[in-house]
Amino acid sequence: LAKTTQPISMDSYEGQEVNITCSHNNIATNDYITWYQQFPSQGPRFIIQGYKTKVTNEVASLFIPADRKSSTLSLPRVSLSDTAVYYCLVGDEGTGRRALTFGSGTRLQVQP
Amino acid sequence: DGGITQSPKYLFRKEGQNVTLSCEQNLNHDAMYWYRQDPGQGLRLIYYSQIVNDFQKGDIAEGYSVSREKKESFPLTVTSAQKNPTAFYLCASRRGPPLSEQYFGPGTRLTVT
Repeated sequence: LAKTTQPISMDSYEGQEVNITCSHNNIATNDYITWYQQFPSQGPRFIIQGYKTKVTNEVASLFIPADRKSSTLSLPRVSLSDTAVYYCLVGDEGTGRRALTFGSGTRLQVQP
Repeated sequence: DGGITQSPKYLFRKEGQNVTLSCEQNLNHDAMYWYRQDPGQGLRLIYYSQIVNDFQKGDIAEGYSVSREKKESFPLTVTSAQKNPTAFYLCASRRGPPLSEQYFGPGTRLTVT
């Protein structure tokens, strides 16, 4: 399974754009990149998934360079409610043959 | 109202007792998962099942057992062989490719004393 490396924590202020980068140097050809958000004492919630280039939905954007060895989750204009842990996962979600591994994630703290 | 339910939300047991955590989904998802989360840590995979009557060990299966007799249900038993059972347990399900994100239940916080 591809190992991922993320910053342990990040701080931001309300209204700012936050970019969280994840390194996955040994990503395989069939692997997708998926990001989840988790609030305390709750299950993680899917944010976004991508394979290459850029993916955007109503809450975030995911930027993936051509070599796919890293990815960046971009949260536009964060609010206090975006304070959470964000997990980057890399794996063969497309076929479902393998279960993914959650690392320790990035703890984002948004200040007023 | 579709989703994943886990019960109970809080569970207390004495050391040496087996305990079964419930996980039910009405999303018609094929795959189901059990994770364990310790304070300040990420999720660690215990067991997963891609289809009824089949399941695979995850990274930390020792001291746990599961069954998958029905598509909707994936109960987890924490046995007395699990050395440190106190944790937050999360169940998830996944529809399958191509839109294959996992949907998580609310979790069960197990305390063993």
